[in-house]
This record gives sequence, C-alpha cells and structure tokens, in this order.
Amino acid sequence: QVQLQESGPGLVKPSETLSLRCTVSGGSISGSYWSWIRQPPGKGLEWIGYIYYTGSTHYNPSLLSRVTISVDTSKNQFSLRLTSVTTADTAIYYCARGETLPYCGGDCSGWFDPWGQGTLVTVSS
Amino acid sequence: EIVLTQSPGTLSLSPGERATLSCRASRSVTSTYLAWYQQKPGQAPRLLIYGASSRATGIPDRFSGSGSGTDFTLSISRLEPEDFAVYYCQQYGSSPRTFGQGTRVEIK
Repeated sequence: QVQLQESGPGLVKPSETLSLRCTVSGGSISGSYWSWIRQPPGKGLEWIGYIYYTGSTHYNPSLLSRVTISVDTSKNQFSLRLTSVTTADTAIYYCARGETLPYCGGDCSGWFDPWGQGTLVTVSS
Repeated sequence: EIVLTQSPGTLSLSPGERATLSCRASRSVTSTYLAWYQQKPGQAPRLLIYGASSRATGIPDRFSGSGSGTDFTLSISRLEPEDFAVYYCQQYGSSPRTFGQGTRVEIK
C-alpha cells in the first residue's frame, strides 16, 4: 500500500526558509492529490495546501504569501517551501494523500489517507 | 472558512462505555464531506470515517459516524483500551480545508 515519508531539516532559523520533501512509495504520485498539514506541539491540525500531480495547487489563505508546494513525478516526491519563518511555524509537519472527489470543479482533494509519520521542525536561532 | 467546533473538549469514560463526540460547523458542509481521525501520542492521525458515515478500511464497526449540514457525530459503541486518544473532525467540502480542535477521550 502507499506509504509517505517526510524528510528535511529539523531546525530552521527565524526569517529563513523551511523546506521539506515527501517521498511516496508503494504507488505512483500520478493521479492523486497530495497535501501538507502541520500541528504545533500539543495543539490541533492546520491544513497548509495541496498539489495535484499535474502541478496545480491550492493553498490555505492564511499562508498563501509564504508557501509553495511543488511536485516531481519522476522521483515520486512532492515538496513544501515556507518562507520567512517565525517561532509560530514550529510544528510537526505531515504529508498526506487526498482522496479525489467526483464532480468537484477543480477543488478536488478529499479526506486525507494515508499520512506520513510526520517530522518536527523547530524554528529557533 | 468553515469553523468546526468539537465538543466536549475532554470525555472521561471507562472501557466498555459508549462515547459520543460532536462536531458542529459554522455553515453547512457540502455533500456531507466530513471526516473523522484518531490520533494517539507520537503518531500521525488515522482516518476513521469519511463522507460523514463511511468507515475507512480496517476500522472496527464499533466506530460509526452520522450527521449532515452543520451537525455531525462520531460514536464509539464500546470503548476498547486502544480507543483512548484524541479525535478530530475535518471538512473537505470547501477551501480552506479545516479541522476541529479535537476531543480527547480519556480513561476515567
């Protein structure tokens, strides 16, 4: 079955750029939607955005000015870049697959399953 | 954006009891596009329910979901020791996708 694994630096300095990668195994990245979701320690879940394998994206307006999600179908990977980070961006970052919804008119990412195990990113000088 | 409010914040119950968790949306959720997840300490969330009432693959039938519009419920008929965890609802009918703040089910 499909499995996801996040990778990237665990420590980022304030004002710098957070970069993470999610590697998909056990299946193709093509044909699906792929999301990033984060969870500050001890808090709830926040959806960051998703990308379709074709490269079309949809972001949370709260992060729109700072976030970019990209896909590399040749490597079965997708990535997250978050610029100008602050301590408020400290969180566990998860990647997940979004089920494709029918008759959706372009905004087609449904429930999230499966999820990666998550990676903690701490923003600190 | 659709705000999801879960109640109660914490539910204290004994194994074998029934758990009823609520998720209320600030406006109607399109096409019952609502999911429930379970999260245990140190683990990623796990999908339990999608489409408000459909169980995900491998989820025991003691878990059930119901509701439509703005009011949704997750029920656990008889709590097993492994069911004590945090539960989140999530809507995927509109953007941005949003989650509730979570309900913790703890052992009484």
